Amino acid sequence: DAGVTQSPTHLIKTRGQHVTLRCSPISGHKSVSWYQQVLGQGPQFIFQYYEKEERGRGNFPDRFSARQFPNYSSELNVNALLLGDSALYLCASSYDRGLQPQHFGDGTRLSIL
Amino acid sequence: AQSVTQLDSHVSVSEGTPVLLRCNYSSSYSPSLFWYVQHPNKGLQLLLKYTSAATLVKGINGFEAEFKKSETSFHLTKPSAHMSDAAEYFCVVSLYSGAGSYQLTFGKGTKLSVIP
Repeated sequence: DAGVTQSPTHLIKTRGQHVTLRCSPISGHKSVSWYQQVLGQGPQFIFQYYEKEERGRGNFPDRFSARQFPNYSSELNVNALLLGDSALYLCASSYDRGLQPQHFGDGTRLSIL
Repeated sequence: AQSVTQLDSHVSVSEGTPVLLRCNYSSSYSPSLFWYVQHPNKGLQLLLKYTSAATLVKGINGFEAEFKKSETSFHLTKPSAHMSDAAEYFCVVSLYSGAGSYQLTFGKGTKLSVIP
């Protein structure tokens, strides 16, 4: 079975632009979470979606938004990009929103110029 | 609030010698704890998890961790390091975020170097 897939793998944007990152969970997984990993740091929780509804939100500004589709894939959107948004964005899926282990994709490397 | 502290930002061992990566947690109740590994330019892979069953948890690739409530620790060990173990390791606690959902809170990571 395919693991969590994310696209694109790399992306370069300039300040003020917006970006959309995509994630396809493992087949059968209904929960998708997004994390931001700044260079040299551990990942930080951004959002969790389960059954197409937002179930958790980390301490990120409203410029960050996400949604989950009927096939459980997900998009992360970031508006008005800042230099500080440069990071590796990781998507993780799990069967449900409980304590099952989360399985991570390889991430999207976003660079802001 | 729940959190984890990884006591070493960088650990260096010789191939074939034991590995010890230290993690302390703070929690007002029995936590769910995980260790994840991240190889360069890759996502995170689950090594092992503790969810209040056995205190000694065995994971993949020969790693194991022991949950010690009295010391609030969850250290990761391996008897003999291999070159392929060189990576970044994260100690993680699962935090209840409401509405039946849990989010992962990561430590800052420990970079493991293995010397041939």
